[in-house]
Amino acid sequence: QVQLQQWGAGLLKPSETLSLACAVSGGSFSDYHWTWIRQPPGKGLEWIGEINYSGSTNYNPSLKSRVTISIDTSKNQFSLNLSSVTAADTAVYYCARGNTLVLGVMLWFDPWGQGTLVTVSS
Amino acid sequence: DIQMTQSPSSLSESVGDRVTITCRASQSISSYLNWYQQKPGKAPKLLIYAASSLQSGVPSRFSGSGSGTDFTLTISSLQPEDFATYYCQQSYITPPSFGQGTKVEIK
Repeated sequence: QVQLQQWGAGLLKPSETLSLACAVSGGSFSDYHWTWIRQPPGKGLEWIGEINYSGSTNYNPSLKSRVTISIDTSKNQFSLNLSSVTAADTAVYYCARGNTLVLGVMLWFDPWGQGTLVTVSS
Repeated sequence: DIQMTQSPSSLSESVGDRVTITCRASQSISSYLNWYQQKPGKAPKLLIYAASSLQSGVPSRFSGSGSGTDFTLTISSLQPEDFATYYCQQSYITPPSFGQGTKVEIK
């Protein structure tokens, strides 16, 4: 059974860079869209971006200028960097596996990591 | 971006009740619609993908329907473990986007 285990710093100051990593175990690392999603406290879900096995990325235009997602296929891990964080970036960040059909248009997220609360405060 | 609007935002129901949650897209998304359940402090869990396909291991009391702009998640007989927040998500156009959530509470 595929499991995603994530980790990273939970408290940042404004202007710092958020860095999270997610390790995948128990299943194939290829043929999927490795994804980051966030959820501000008490609010809904926002897709941040994705990377595939070959390193091709897609980002949410609302965050694109500050986001970098990378992959390490030798370790079955992928990572998120979000630069110049502000209080608005305070959220629980989830990694997830994107599963696709129909040439990637049909896309759903399963499973998910356990989530990491990242708080941005001076 | 495609806006996803769920209704109602919250509802109070009793165990055994039939529950229907609606999700409306701001433009047609064919059947590229998924449903998730989230319990407090936990990651979302996939229930339904491609509008009506039940994810493996999900109880058959959950079902999804719809296409185009209007979709429905139905719980045929609400169980105590079903009290949670439910989200729809479209993948027709990047970026994938989620509804604001529907919280199902105990009456």
